[in-house]
Amino acid sequence: GESVGLHLPTLSVQEGDNSIINCAYSNSASDYFIWYKQESGKGPQFIIDIRSNMDKRQGQRVTVLLNKTVKHLSLQIAATQPGDSAVYFCAETTLNDYKLSFGAGTTVTVRA
Amino acid sequence: DGGITQSPKYLFRKEGQNVTLSCEQNLNHDAMYWYRQDPGQGLRLIYYSQIVNDFQKGDIAEGYSVSREKKESFPLTVTSAQKNPTAFYLCASSIRGQGSYEQYFGPGTRLTVT
Repeated sequence: GESVGLHLPTLSVQEGDNSIINCAYSNSASDYFIWYKQESGKGPQFIIDIRSNMDKRQGQRVTVLLNKTVKHLSLQIAATQPGDSAVYFCAETTLNDYKLSFGAGTTVTVRA
Repeated sequence: DGGITQSPKYLFRKEGQNVTLSCEQNLNHDAMYWYRQDPGQGLRLIYYSQIVNDFQKGDIAEGYSVSREKKESFPLTVTSAQKNPTAFYLCASSIRGQGSYEQYFGPGTRLTVT
């Protein structure tokens, strides 16, 4: 079946460096994408979203890029901080559906 | 403060017992969801409800039941028919009929069945 997945299960990054987390999706009908951050023992927290009519969206220290041609989504975190250590999930859906499909997640560890 | 609350944070039960997990939201959201998360895995949808008195099965509904009698509340019952109930359970809600479909999550309930 169609699913959303991440390229790498873990990512180790030096504090202060930029992080890039990748996500591949297979449902070409998906038109809304979200990135969530989940800290240990807590519920996922919204980071940023993007619709399929955009290819880039920026937030505070984060940028999401969408490449519909290759069905690829990425999250860039600028100047990674220790508080960015968490599991990051991408999720996708169509605007006519209420269900989100989640990938397996990438665990980001920030080295001091 | 507006948000989603789940209680309790930790729950322990003996095998063969049914257990109900609480989820309450004061965000005035129409849609509510229950997910299950196992170690090292993503979220899997158990049930969702778009409106009061209506709900649909998600991808892994077997062994679970829900009710949606009030807009604010969406309790999940883990029945004895659920083969492997030990997991982290997350409740979420979202605005219905709006442009954004962001789901807001509660803090989760960790259920351990022995």
